Amino acid sequence: DQQVKQNSPSLSVQEGRISILNCDYTNSMFDYFLWYKKYPAEGPTFLISISSIKDKNEDGRFTVFLNKSAKHLSLHIVPSQPGDSAVYFCAASDNYGQNFVFGPGTRLSVLP
Amino acid sequence: NAGVTQTPKFQVLKTGQSMTLQCAQDMNHNSMYWYRQDPGMGLRLIYYSASEGTTDKGEVPNGYNVSRLNKREFSLRLESAAPSQTSVYFCASSPRQGGETQYFGPGTRLLVL
Repeated sequence: DQQVKQNSPSLSVQEGRISILNCDYTNSMFDYFLWYKKYPAEGPTFLISISSIKDKNEDGRFTVFLNKSAKHLSLHIVPSQPGDSAVYFCAASDNYGQNFVFGPGTRLSVLP
Repeated sequence: NAGVTQTPKFQVLKTGQSMTLQCAQDMNHNSMYWYRQDPGMGLRLIYYSASEGTTDKGEVPNGYNVSRLNKREFSLRLESAAPSQTSVYFCASSPRQGGETQYFGPGTRLLVL
């Protein structure tokens, strides 16, 4: 049973518009969340994180929102650029626990 | 500063053959990890090493062994490869275990025939 779910395997967005990638989790002990971005033939690279004491974290064009009651987080990319086309992984951890659990990923395609 | 490096980049094995995947990091991180990525499955943790001298099983350890050779290096060994081990393998490191951003290597693509 997946503890971290990304129910959209793929998403296509026009350049300049907003991309919204969603992630749901089942373990209420998770309190630290990350988004990774992965290009083909490369390892995942860290994008942005959020702790459970916050409900929003921004870094440039990237914003992550956390809704603890719904066990849901989302990544907003505004404006989307063709270079954002990649697979995005959501990952969750309980900070005093051991390791991260990764979702299956969402492939984002930003169309010029 | 190379970050996390992995060798080889690509390998083809026959069923039953053995091989070792190498990983090294130059960030003085305490914790290192081995993941496999399969289509639709995300990254699944095989083994991890919270600190030099310790190793522990992750979610999918069967068929694998690991060695934390020193603080920099963490190797993954397949003693008798099986087609089910065809996957992309990623090594990662972090300053400490749990709740810390992990830094990934470029991956090793393994095909077992």
